[in-house]
Amino acid sequence: DQQVKQNSPSLSVQEGRISILNCDYTNSMFDYFLWYKKYPAEGPTFLISISSIKDKNEDGRFTVFLNKSAKHLSLHIVPSQPGDSAVYFCAFPHRAGGTSYGKLTFGQGTILTVHP
Amino acid sequence: NAGVTQTPKFRILKIGQSMTLQCAQDMNHNYMYWYRQDPGMGLKLIYYSVGAGITDKGEVPNGYNVSRSTTEDFPLRLELAAPSQTSVYFCASSQRTGEYSPLHFGNGTRLTVT
Repeated sequence: DQQVKQNSPSLSVQEGRISILNCDYTNSMFDYFLWYKKYPAEGPTFLISISSIKDKNEDGRFTVFLNKSAKHLSLHIVPSQPGDSAVYFCAFPHRAGGTSYGKLTFGQGTILTVHP
Repeated sequence: NAGVTQTPKFRILKIGQSMTLQCAQDMNHNYMYWYRQDPGMGLKLIYYSVGAGITDKGEVPNGYNVSRSTTEDFPLRLELAAPSQTSVYFCASSQRTGEYSPLHFGNGTRLTVT
């Protein structure tokens, strides 16, 4: 039962261009949507999030788009930089213990390589 | 401020051996988690804890045990190691709030069972 799918295992982009990473989900109960970034030999770090009441959230070069009807999430990085080369995971938190959020369900990850 | 600290960084076990993966956080977070990541896969939740003395199973708990005697520490115990437990293990913590609070991850323990 795969609730989250990142169908592109890898993406290669030229520096300065746009990187678009995609994620599809099946569980309509998700109401928060996240992207995490992971460098080799490090743990994932939180990048950006979006609530289900929005369709877009921007933070500097990073923008997350949410299409609830299509159950689709995307991350745009503009302009891409070599330091953005990492694995990107979409993730979905589950509510636990009342209103608090707890565990995450992760996608499989997309390896982004930005070439100078 | 150390954040989430995991030890050891690497370990090789023989089949049937046991070990404890250590995890400590200094952010006074209520929630703690153990995830494993297999090659080419996303992270899968093994166990989690919502506070000292309270633990619960995640998606893949078989072959593991946890305890949470303090807010700071959340060790993961492997009994009778099997090759299927070869993976990278990540510990994480988060604050308990109504809004989403990001998980803070340690740098992982790479475990090989041969």
